[in-house]
Amino acid sequence: EPEVTQTPSHQVTQMGQEVILRCVPISNHLYFYWYRQILGQKVEFLVSFYNNEISEKSEIFDDQFSVERPDGSNFTLKIRSTKLEDSAMYFCASTPGLAGRAYTDTQYFGPGTRLTVL
Amino acid sequence: AQSVTQLDSHVSVSEGTPVLLRCNYSSSYSPSLFWYVQHPNKGLQLLLKYTSAATLVKGINGFEAEFKKSETSFHLTKPSAHMSDAAEYFCVLNYGGSQGNLIFGKGTKLSVKP
Repeated sequence: EPEVTQTPSHQVTQMGQEVILRCVPISNHLYFYWYRQILGQKVEFLVSFYNNEISEKSEIFDDQFSVERPDGSNFTLKIRSTKLEDSAMYFCASTPGLAGRAYTDTQYFGPGTRLTVL
Repeated sequence: AQSVTQLDSHVSVSEGTPVLLRCNYSSSYSPSLFWYVQHPNKGLQLLLKYTSAATLVKGINGFEAEFKKSETSFHLTKPSAHMSDAAEYFCVLNYGGSQGNLIFGKGTKLSVKP
């Protein structure tokens, strides 16, 4: 069965450094998402991406964050200058987006990347 | 505003006994509701979903949930717990006003005692 994959599984970085988290969504899916979960807190939506552009983003997704689909398979989340509070598990998800009804579709999640900012 | 409340942060049951994980939601739109499970070091896996069809939804591994609009609830149940059910469970809401960004509950950790 197709899966969403994420690399690396764990990333340790120094405060102020740039990090890029990588995801390979399920092929033929149209909508892509990033979520994060700070330890002990809820999973929070960051951004959704459709047709090569951001379709929706949360307040968390400020100018330090960016997303890109550099080729036909990868979907990346970049944090330009990491802060201590960016330490979290980051999940990528994708959904078929059939008939444009993204809100009823099942989102398929990757295993996550644990980001630790020192 | 849209929100999800999971009423128990931790539930402990004995193997072979029923499981009940409680979830209440708030939504001014017609919601889609999901239960996801997360085993340690694994991604989030869909158990079941409700999208305005039958109110009793059956999922994988013997789990089911009932959508009750009058009670704004979507509780997850299983008649008989198995050791492999030990995991964290998330009740999740989506709604027609969004592009699919999910709203998560805080999660319920299920422990299963032998």
